[in-house]
Amino acid sequence: RKEVEQDPGPFNVPEGATVAFNCTYSNSASQSFFWYRQDCRKEPKLLMSVYSSGNEDGRFTAQLNRASQYISLLIRDSKLSDSATYLCAAYPGGYNKLIFGAGTRLAVHP
Amino acid sequence: NAGVTQTPKFQVLKTGQSMTLQCAQDMNHNSMYWYRQDPGMGLRLIYYSASEGTTDKGEVPNGYNVSRLNKREFSLRLESAAPSQTSVYFCASSVGQVGTEAFFGQGTRLTVV
Repeated sequence: RKEVEQDPGPFNVPEGATVAFNCTYSNSASQSFFWYRQDCRKEPKLLMSVYSSGNEDGRFTAQLNRASQYISLLIRDSKLSDSATYLCAAYPGGYNKLIFGAGTRLAVHP
Repeated sequence: NAGVTQTPKFQVLKTGQSMTLQCAQDMNHNSMYWYRQDPGMGLRLIYYSASEGTTDKGEVPNGYNVSRLNKREFSLRLESAAPSQTSVYFCASSVGQVGTEAFFGQGTRLTVV
């Protein structure tokens, strides 16, 4: 089983929609979680860190559910410019290596 | 700000050839990483260096070697390239404490024919 797993999608949503992605992790000792955004043929860039208490940045909300071992990303009022691949990442078990999921592709259409 | 710089950006190799991918960061980061990205597979960790002088295997280390030359530089070597190593390679760095974000280079597109 992969340490970090995501639904690859694609999620096709209209502009203005709310969309949510989940990402599960297998190591209960995992610490520190992140959401990255990756545009086509570009490098990943940090979108948000995920804190135990949850965090929000404008239209984006990230949450951590330790009991069920998943993190989530909620995007409200989707824009065309949100079309990208969203990657979740975690440090499993305290090791200083950052492991990524396979990514979830989002396509926002007019 | 240069951040993380990878060279080359594109490379075509013949099966059996060797090459080294170079990575340098100017952020005084302790940890550095090499990933490969294939369609539908996300980013898979090849090797990482938690601090200068140490290297460890990641998820897919076979066929690769690495060198942490100094704090700034972390190279990835393919000794005998195979078509299965056709991929996009990303180098990344982080401050080095568990929980800190990683910053990525722009990637190297490698094709092995």
